[in-house]
Amino acid sequence: AQSVSQHNHHVILSEAASLELGCNYSYGGTVNLFWYVQYPGQHLQLLLKYFSGDPLVKGIKGFEAEFIKSKFSFNLRKPSVQWSDTAEYFCAASFWGYSTLTFGKGTMLLVSP
Amino acid sequence: DGGITQSPKYLFRKEGQNVTLSCEQNLNHDAMYWYRQDPGQGLRLIYYSQIVNDFQKGDIAEGYSVSREKKESFPLTVTSAQKNPTAFYLCASSIPTGRDTEAFFGQGTRLTVV
Repeated sequence: AQSVSQHNHHVILSEAASLELGCNYSYGGTVNLFWYVQYPGQHLQLLLKYFSGDPLVKGIKGFEAEFIKSKFSFNLRKPSVQWSDTAEYFCAASFWGYSTLTFGKGTMLLVSP
Repeated sequence: DGGITQSPKYLFRKEGQNVTLSCEQNLNHDAMYWYRQDPGQGLRLIYYSQIVNDFQKGDIAEGYSVSREKKESFPLTVTSAQKNPTAFYLCASSIPTGRDTEAFFGQGTRLTVV
């Protein structure tokens, strides 16, 4: 079955550290890929998305993600995190031929000042 | 403004009672979804609907029911058969997946059953 997996459930970083959150999916066909963020007490927001074209995707707030088809991966990166990046991050995929969006279990990021 | 409205934001119910969560969208999207969010579980799909008067079970449909009588509305009923109903419920909509599209989410309803 199609699935999305996130490597880390909890990540703790100091401000200015670099961030990379892993995401892999299992599906042999075409996929659309997404990263969502949920700040404490707030609703889910789209950070960035990949549909086709340049595999390096830039999103809001300095985030970027790279789609590596051969590795079935879509890792999220940020060169220097801030305290305000403390949130839960969800990787998601929609698999062509299937009607729904599948989420990973999320990664809780805590950035200490 | 276009968007998805979920109401209420917080809901408390006694065990054994059915409760209905509202979801309305004015984005003219054909597809609508209900997800349940639990700590450490991510978002799990309960039900989805690709078109009016049609809906499909998701991964965790047991104990839930839905209707889709209008394009704008996709209410979710949490029945007494749902063994662990306390959770955060998210509604979303999109033009149907399979094309380059994204889902838009409401602000969620936090249901607490006591």
